[in-house]
Amino acid sequence: AQSVTQPDARVTVSEGASLQLRCKYSYFGTPYLFWYVQYPRQGLQLLLKYYPGDPVVQGVNGFEAEFSKSNSSFHLRKASVHWSDWAVYFCAVSMHTGGLSGKLTFGEGTQVTVIS
Amino acid sequence: EAAVTQSPRSKVAVTGGKVTLSCHQTNNHDYMYWYRQDTGHGLRLIHYSYVADSTEKGDIPDGYKASRPSQENFSLILELASLSQTAVYFCASRGQGGAETLYFGSGTRLTVL
Repeated sequence: AQSVTQPDARVTVSEGASLQLRCKYSYFGTPYLFWYVQYPRQGLQLLLKYYPGDPVVQGVNGFEAEFSKSNSSFHLRKASVHWSDWAVYFCAVSMHTGGLSGKLTFGEGTQVTVIS
Repeated sequence: EAAVTQSPRSKVAVTGGKVTLSCHQTNNHDYMYWYRQDTGHGLRLIHYSYVADSTEKGDIPDGYKASRPSQENFSLILELASLSQTAVYFCASRGQGGAETLYFGSGTRLTVL
C-alpha cells in the first residue's frame, strides 16, 4: 500500500533563510507526488505536483521540489522564507491508474514557524 | 476558480446524536472525497465517490456513512456521534486522472461532547 512519511513534525526557520521539508514515500512503481499547504483555519491548497519527467518541479510562491526514485523522496525547498510561509505543509502520493486513481495518501504534515 | 463549499463551518454535537456534514462543488468534478484531520495524523480518507448515487469506503470508514445524491453534492453522516469523532473534516473534489489537483473546502470543525 502507498504511504508517505514526513519525519519532521515541526520546523522553525528565520525569515529570509532557506527551508527544506522532507518527504519519503512508499509506492510500487512511479507515483504522482504532491505538496499541499494549509494556512491557519483554511483548507489545503496545491503548491506543486510531480509527473514522471523532470525531477525538479517548480511551484507557486518560490517553492520547488525534487523527486528522487533511488531515495524514494520528494523534498520541498524554498531559497528565502517569508513570514507568510507560516503554515502546515503536507506531502501526498497518488496512484497512477485504475478505479482508485487519484486517491491521495497524505503524510502527517510539517508545521513551519517563521521567526524574525 | 474551482469552488468547494462546506457547511456548517463548525458544529457541536452530543454523543449518540446524528450529524450530517454537507459539501457542494461547482467544479463539474466527478470525484469527491471526505477527509478527517487530527493533530499528528495528517488527513485520512473516510469515503469517496466517483459518480452520483455511488460511494466507496476509504481508509477509515467505520462510524461514517456517505451520500452522493448528485454530482455537485456529497454528504458525510454520523448516525451515532462519538467523542472520538471530534475532528476537522474536509471535503474535496477533483477531475478524472491520478495527477489531477484536489480542491478543498475550508473544513468543518466538529466537536462531540
